[in-house]
Amino acid sequence: DIQMTQSPSSLSASVGDRVTITCRASQSINRNLNWYQQKPGKAPKLLIFAAFSLQSGAPSRFSGSGYGTDFTLTISSLQPEDFATYYCQESYSTPRTFGQGTKLDMK
Amino acid sequence: QVQLQESGPGLVKPSQTLSLMCTVSGGSISSGDYYWSWIRQPPGKGLEWIGHIDYNGGTSYNPSLKSRLTISVDTSNNHFSLNLNSVTAADMAVYFCARDSLTRDAFDVWGQGTVVTVSS
Repeated sequence: DIQMTQSPSSLSASVGDRVTITCRASQSINRNLNWYQQKPGKAPKLLIFAAFSLQSGAPSRFSGSGYGTDFTLTISSLQPEDFATYYCQESYSTPRTFGQGTKLDMK
Repeated sequence: QVQLQESGPGLVKPSQTLSLMCTVSGGSISSGDYYWSWIRQPPGKGLEWIGHIDYNGGTSYNPSLKSRLTISVDTSNNHFSLNLNSVTAADMAVYFCARDSLTRDAFDVWGQGTVVTVSS
């Protein structure tokens, strides 16, 4: 199985901040990497697919980058509704695996 | 707009079988462009992919669950199902069904999730 490791596990930030979350795969996954946002009691929501493609309906302040084993999710200017947990997920092989999550809360 | 809805018992006894159904509305489960997936999330923890099925009944399972797991599809009624036998407390989780888009290679539509408790 491919292991996905996110950092940091938690992050405190303020509205307007630029935030970056990283995800590392245990082997190369080309650009088969997706990012999700999950709020408490809700299902995850797809933000970014194929490493850098913005899902329809996702705000443009979210962007993704990376290839191979190292990937980043960036929020250019944090909004109040962005405080949530973020997960990366590889789609290179089965079993599909997720990172452990990054909880983003208000400073 | 496609929607997914999980249904099934919220309480299962240890050693028994957990059975859940995911009903697809607003679109056909018979599209060849998707896998139909199950994902779970134990309380306070991260996401675990359980497995998926295509409209022809082709399956892929997480090896950690494969010996206890069956995923099936009913194209006539536009739903797919999960059966997990010999459950223990470790199977307690929120269970989500999700659509895995083959064009995006991502879970682009999710059900709201259903809580499953394992207790006698």
